[in-house]
Amino acid sequence: DYVVTQSPDSLAVSLGERATINCKSSQSVFYSSDNKNYLAWYQQKPGQPPKLLIYWASTRESGVPDRFSGSGSGTDFTLTISSLQAEDVAVYYCQQYFRTPYTFGQGTKLEIK
Amino acid sequence: QVQLVESGGGLVKPGGSLRLSCAASGFSFSDYYMSWIRQAPGKGLEWLSYINGSSSIIYYADSVKGRFTISRDNAKNSLYLQMNSLRVEDTAVYYCARGVPGGSFFLHWGQGTLVTVSS
Repeated sequence: DYVVTQSPDSLAVSLGERATINCKSSQSVFYSSDNKNYLAWYQQKPGQPPKLLIYWASTRESGVPDRFSGSGSGTDFTLTISSLQAEDVAVYYCQQYFRTPYTFGQGTKLEIK
Repeated sequence: QVQLVESGGGLVKPGGSLRLSCAASGFSFSDYYMSWIRQAPGKGLEWLSYINGSSSIIYYADSVKGRFTISRDNAKNSLYLQMNSLRVEDTAVYYCARGVPGGSFFLHWGQGTLVTVSS
């Protein structure tokens, strides 16, 4: 199985500052035939299902604020929130969908400092 | 708009069975792979199973293989998860989720149904 590991487990950032969450896959999720990285990012707030933010590692889902961005390739990926807003407090997950079983990172809890 | 509504959760004793349902609307149900994903209380997300539109392709995570069965009824726009031999560690919120053509990331999720396995 592809093991996906996020860092850090929790993060406290001041309002307006940058937040960075890392995601590492045990094997590459890059498919050379279509030049895509099979990696997605989700945001989950308490009592709600996860919300898709980013797919193909860097494509922002429609309606997601442009302060959210994804980067990386192969095994190492990053979710960046450029200027933290109060409504961004949540748990963030990455997911590889390159191979079944699809696997999620353990989550990163983002709080306001 | 796409809607996924799970039902069927509840309290069950270890070794018992439960059948979850997911009612889909707002899209052509038979055209899409559907998945079940769960989240234990205070824990992360675990993908469990998927089924393709014609029910000819099915996959299970090892944690549920042989105990859980995914199925669908396209005429009823419904997805199911039959859960047998339930264990305490199966306690979780169970979500149904829909991907997009060509990519198994999950754009649409239901609100989830809670399954509690306890004596």
